[in-house]
Amino acid sequence: GAGVSQTPSNKVTEKGKYVELRCDPISGHTALYWYRQSLGQGPEFLIYFQGTGAADDSGLPNDRFFAVRPEGSVSTLKIQRTERGDSAVYLCASSSSGRYNEQFFGPGTRLTVL
Amino acid sequence: AQSVTQPDIHITVSEGASLELRCNYSYGATPYLFWYVQSPGQGLQLLLKYFSGDTLVQGIKGFEAEFKRSQSSFNLRKPSVHWSDAAEYFCAVGPTTGTASKLTFGTGTRLQVTL
Repeated sequence: GAGVSQTPSNKVTEKGKYVELRCDPISGHTALYWYRQSLGQGPEFLIYFQGTGAADDSGLPNDRFFAVRPEGSVSTLKIQRTERGDSAVYLCASSSSGRYNEQFFGPGTRLTVL
Repeated sequence: AQSVTQPDIHITVSEGASLELRCNYSYGATPYLFWYVQSPGQGLQLLLKYFSGDTLVQGIKGFEAEFKRSQSSFNLRKPSVHWSDAAEYFCAVGPTTGTASKLTFGTGTRLQVTL
């Protein structure tokens, strides 16, 4: 079946602009995670959804970052007033309910802020 | 706070040789432990995980890892490396409390395989 998909695969924007990154999880997966991977680093947790609600947003770096999952499926990560330091690969993962069920990762969106 | 250290940034091995990738963690108790592999253009893929019980865990693609509490380590091993194993490998820990299965990753080890 289809895996986790993320769009766009690449996004180039200018400093100060607003961007939206989309994640389509595996059908039926109730848990959804966003991570950010900077160059030469491992993925860093941003936010976790269980269903429609953000159960843990402790990893969001500041209030310019926001994520939604209105119908408990597709999620959008929104970044306002982008900064050059936001440049990274943004990864989405989904899993079925239950703690520590395997997280299936998407290929990521590479965001470049000029 | 939990953290993961992967001391080797880059490792090169010959095809057919054995492999060991190091991982040390810092956590107040025994965490849940994971190894993921990331190939170019591919998403992260889970190789294996440790929750409890037998400290030697078997994973996919012929990989295994051993949890050593006394050393706070969870090293990944493979007896004979194949050229297709060239990739980036990440060790990760997850908290044993709370509701979120959020993972803390190390900085990764890039494996190069020579023919």
